[in-house]
Amino acid sequence: QQQVKQSPQSLIVQKGGISIINCAYENTAFDYFPWYQQFPGKGPALLIAIRPDVSEKKEGRFTISFNKSAKQFSLHIMDSQPGDSATYFCAASRRGSSNTGKLIFGQGTTLQVKP
Amino acid sequence: DGGITQSPKYLFRKEGQNVTLSCEQNLNHDAMYWYRQDPGQGLRLIYYSQIVNDFQKGDIAEGYSVSREKKESFPLTVTSAQKNPTAFYLCASSIRPSTEKLFFGSGTQLSVL
Repeated sequence: QQQVKQSPQSLIVQKGGISIINCAYENTAFDYFPWYQQFPGKGPALLIAIRPDVSEKKEGRFTISFNKSAKQFSLHIMDSQPGDSATYFCAASRRGSSNTGKLIFGQGTTLQVKP
Repeated sequence: DGGITQSPKYLFRKEGQNVTLSCEQNLNHDAMYWYRQDPGQGLRLIYYSQIVNDFQKGDIAEGYSVSREKKESFPLTVTSAQKNPTAFYLCASSIRPSTEKLFFGSGTQLSVL
């Protein structure tokens, strides 16, 4: 019930294309769904996050789509650029002090954007 | 510049040896965390601390120990009891324990000699 499953494990996209990464969760109590971006040799950084009261959130070229009934959410990177090449992690958590900082992370997707 | 500093960047451990990874933050954040990253497995929580002199076990605490004597420091010791310590270790912090956004350091790669 605590798992977050992420796919694909790796993704190669041409410059200008759309990158799509998918995540599925089991625990219906999760109410916060962030995406983190990690460059090689660095720590992850928060990219964008969504709560289940909305079905989509857009920030620049990055969009999260959220399907509460299917318990799935996805990251779409429009007009993908070589600088977007990184590892992307989805995550989920439930509010409440007993779950402080206890983000459950997906397995990660390594994205390569070819020039 | 405010941030989280992890050191060293690379660390090698011999059999039976304890090693300590340093994590310092100047963000004045209350909460600090240690994650372990293995290829294809995402990030797994080792320990977290909501306040000075208090810390809680995460999902994979066995073979690890921590201390939180100062707000800005949260060192992680990988003990000889941790039989598979090779991994990338990430320290993180958040403004308050209830705050969901995590700020990560640049990590320490630990390898076994």
